[in-house]
Amino acid sequence: DIQMTQSPSSLSGSVGDRVTITCRASQSISAYLNWYQQRSGKAPKLLIYAATRLQSGVPSRFSGSLSGTDFTLTISSLQPEDFATYYCQQSYSVPATFGGGTKVEIK
Amino acid sequence: EVQLVESGGGLVQPGGSLRLSCAASGFTFNTYDMHWVRQTTGGNLEWVAGIGTAGDTYYPDSVKGRFTISRENAKNSLYLQMNSLSAGDTAVYYCARVPPEIGNWYFDLWGRGALVTVSS
Repeated sequence: DIQMTQSPSSLSGSVGDRVTITCRASQSISAYLNWYQQRSGKAPKLLIYAATRLQSGVPSRFSGSLSGTDFTLTISSLQPEDFATYYCQQSYSVPATFGGGTKVEIK
Repeated sequence: EVQLVESGGGLVQPGGSLRLSCAASGFTFNTYDMHWVRQTTGGNLEWVAGIGTAGDTYYPDSVKGRFTISRENAKNSLYLQMNSLSAGDTAVYYCARVPPEIGNWYFDLWGRGALVTVSS
């Protein structure tokens, strides 16, 4: 199985901050990497698919990038509704696997 | 409204069985692959089963032989039959949709989840 390692596991930020979350795959997954946001008590919500493609309806302050087996989710200007937990997921091979999550908290 | 609604969760004893259902509405159910993803109390997400539009099924080793995914397109419904349950299966189980993009399993619609607790 492909292991997905997210970092950091948590971070604190203020409204307006630029935030970066990283996900590293244990082997090459091409661009088969997806990002989700989960607010407390809610189901995950798709933000980015295929590493860089913004899901319809998701604000443009969210973006994704890749470099080899390293993937990055960037929030350009943190908003109050962005305080949540973020997960990456690889869809390159079965079984699909998720990272352990990054909790973004208010500083 | 486009939505997925799970039902059938609850408390079950170790070794027992449970069947989850997922009712889909607002989209053409039979054109989408459908999956189940679970989330443990620690927050970890784990994919547990998938079914294609042609009825082909997929499982990780952790549930293979114990869980069975099925669909009933006429009722816009997805199911997960879970047998030989253990404490490690305790989680919130989400029904999730995969858009018709060949070879790329990303989940663009999720239900609210059904809690399954395995305990004596």
